[in-house]
Amino acid sequence: NAGVTQTPKFQVLKTGQSMTLQCAQDMNHEYMSWYRQDPGMGLRLIHYSVGAGITDQGEVPNGYNVSRSTTEDFPLRLLSAAPSQTSVYFCASGGTLGTGELFFGEGSRLTVL
Amino acid sequence: DQQVKQNSPSLSVQEGRISILNCDYTNSMFDYFLWYKKYPAEGPTFLISISSIKDKNEDGRFTVFLNKSAKHLSLHIVPSQPGDSAVYFCAASVGTSGTYKYIFGTGTRLKVLA
Repeated sequence: NAGVTQTPKFQVLKTGQSMTLQCAQDMNHEYMSWYRQDPGMGLRLIHYSVGAGITDQGEVPNGYNVSRSTTEDFPLRLLSAAPSQTSVYFCASGGTLGTGELFFGEGSRLTVL
Repeated sequence: DQQVKQNSPSLSVQEGRISILNCDYTNSMFDYFLWYKKYPAEGPTFLISISSIKDKNEDGRFTVFLNKSAKHLSLHIVPSQPGDSAVYFCAASVGTSGTYKYIFGTGTRLKVLA
């Protein structure tokens, strides 16, 4: 009963390093998305996907890349980490486009020094 | 440009009383609204939703009201319980050309006092 799985849960990076946050779901959901949570800012949408091969930008896409080669996986890539990307990142998936609930992972806490 | 706003960062309520959490939005194209609850160190979990064509939806202690003319929705929790203490996010979905996205608000921290 895995649901949405995010790895790693914690990561510390130095400025300029790259890394990938992994997200996998086992519910056969077409919709997947990434959010970041910052104090006072709520959950802000980074990128989202409505199916394999289809991705689009959310509210705060700069500095992040995504791809969706399979229904199950939606990795988020930081190409050159910056201190402003220190945040808690959440992956979410949903089965019914636009009208269904989103299921969230437990989050990945990233610190960029 | 925050399309979904929760203007009250925090709210304290006595156990057994009603909690009312508010949310305002600016995009009239939103067609579905949802409320989520989040505990520390966990991902948000779904509470209740409402279609834009309705004005009320109820599920147990939770009721969501939608006022489209005012672009306002609210979540009522009656009676409030200490376990309801969490951060609550409202969210809205909007779709164009076969794709949808969900926009979240800034959250309201609810504290239910025993």
